[in-house]
Amino acid sequence: DTEVTQTPKHLVMGMTNKKSLKCEQHMGHRAMYWYKQKAKKPPELMFVYSYEKLSINESVPSRFSPECPNSSLLNLHLHALQPEDSALYLCASSSRQGANEQYFGPGTRLTVT
Amino acid sequence: AQSVTQLDSQVPVFEEAPVELRCNYSSSVSVYLFWYVQYPNQGLQLLLKYLSGSTLVKGINGFEAEFNKSQTSFHLRKPSVHISDTAEYFCAVSESGAGSYQLTFGKGTKLSVIP
Repeated sequence: DTEVTQTPKHLVMGMTNKKSLKCEQHMGHRAMYWYKQKAKKPPELMFVYSYEKLSINESVPSRFSPECPNSSLLNLHLHALQPEDSALYLCASSSRQGANEQYFGPGTRLTVT
Repeated sequence: AQSVTQLDSQVPVFEEAPVELRCNYSSSVSVYLFWYVQYPNQGLQLLLKYLSGSTLVKGINGFEAEFNKSQTSFHLRKPSVHISDTAEYFCAVSESGAGSYQLTFGKGTKLSVIP
């Protein structure tokens, strides 16, 4: 099973709202990732967690706050977002072994109004 | 640092015709190579990967890719495409070795299959 699940599928939020995106995997992977993807562009890496610790933060604004409660779950807390933050947010996981290939979830389509 | 160039942003092809999506990479170290497919409004799905060994790699949905070290290329091919292959295709590279996190993506190639 190479499934990564993400909820919600769609999210519309105002600039003053607080919301969270959720990601879950049951493949025993020990690395989890958040990406942002704008239309007609490749995904851009935001954060990497390895063994539940934040390993990479690609200079993401503090209005995005990641959290890894355990090895299967990854959250992205959103607060005071801007309209330009509207995008597809993808979660991925990898085993940290071999080629460490990443498996992606279906994404959350976020619209900031 | 590595980079990936996908030479064609759009490739239209008739149904049942063969297709080749081109990918070139640049890196100062050994790399792993990947092709991902993204259907409309979905996440990325791993099509195939090259780690080492045989330079011809077979993936899902009838796709295959050939690694050419001298030309630093990893082109994706399918002998006969279907309407359902219409999607965005991303070539990606990561440094080989102990579990590199960073995937460097190309800009993507939009494959449109014409009935």
